[in-house]
Amino acid sequence: AQSVTQPDIHITVSEGASLELRCNYSYGATPYLFWYVQSPGQGLQLLLKYFSGDTLVQGIKGFEAEFKRSQSSFNLRKPSVHWSDAAEYFCAVALSGGYNKLIFGAGTRLAVHP
Amino acid sequence: EPEVTQTPSHQVTQMGQEVILRCVPISNHLYFYWYRQILGQKVEFLVSFYNNEISEKSEIFDDQFSVERPDGSNFTLKIRSTKLEDSAMYFCASSTDRSGYTFGSGTRLTVV
Repeated sequence: AQSVTQPDIHITVSEGASLELRCNYSYGATPYLFWYVQSPGQGLQLLLKYFSGDTLVQGIKGFEAEFKRSQSSFNLRKPSVHWSDAAEYFCAVALSGGYNKLIFGAGTRLAVHP
Repeated sequence: EPEVTQTPSHQVTQMGQEVILRCVPISNHLYFYWYRQILGQKVEFLVSFYNNEISEKSEIFDDQFSVERPDGSNFTLKIRSTKLEDSAMYFCASSTDRSGYTFGSGTRLTVV
């Protein structure tokens, strides 16, 4: 069955430190890949997406993600975290074609220490 | 930037009552979805809708749920007889083939 795994439930980093959030997927073919961010009580904001082409994708708020087909991974990175980045981050995948449902990972809650 | 609009932002209802959650998708999007997120849990797919019919639904989407696109702009989720376990945040989303999925800010449903 198709699935998305975010191995880290909770991560704490210091402000200014680098960040990497992990995401692995299980699909028969290369899916469409997404990262969303959710602040407490808020909706889901798209950070970035990968459909095809360059495997390093730039997103909003200084985030980037790299698709690695051999590892079935789509890890999210940021070189220097800001206190405002504290939120929950969800990796999501969909079969190619924008009409297919999104499958979400369980999320990683990011805390940022001053 | 175009947005998906959901109303109301918060609804409290008594168990057994019917609720209708409303969404206005992005105007040129063709595919529409409902997801839910129980507090502290992950986002779960409920149903997708295309060309005025359901294209896929999850096992959560049982006979108590229905969706409708009553006019050219609104997309609604109806829960016929709410249960306590229906309490969740409900998200509407829309997409095109290549746009990715845009989510609304959600409706928090509380069943008491």
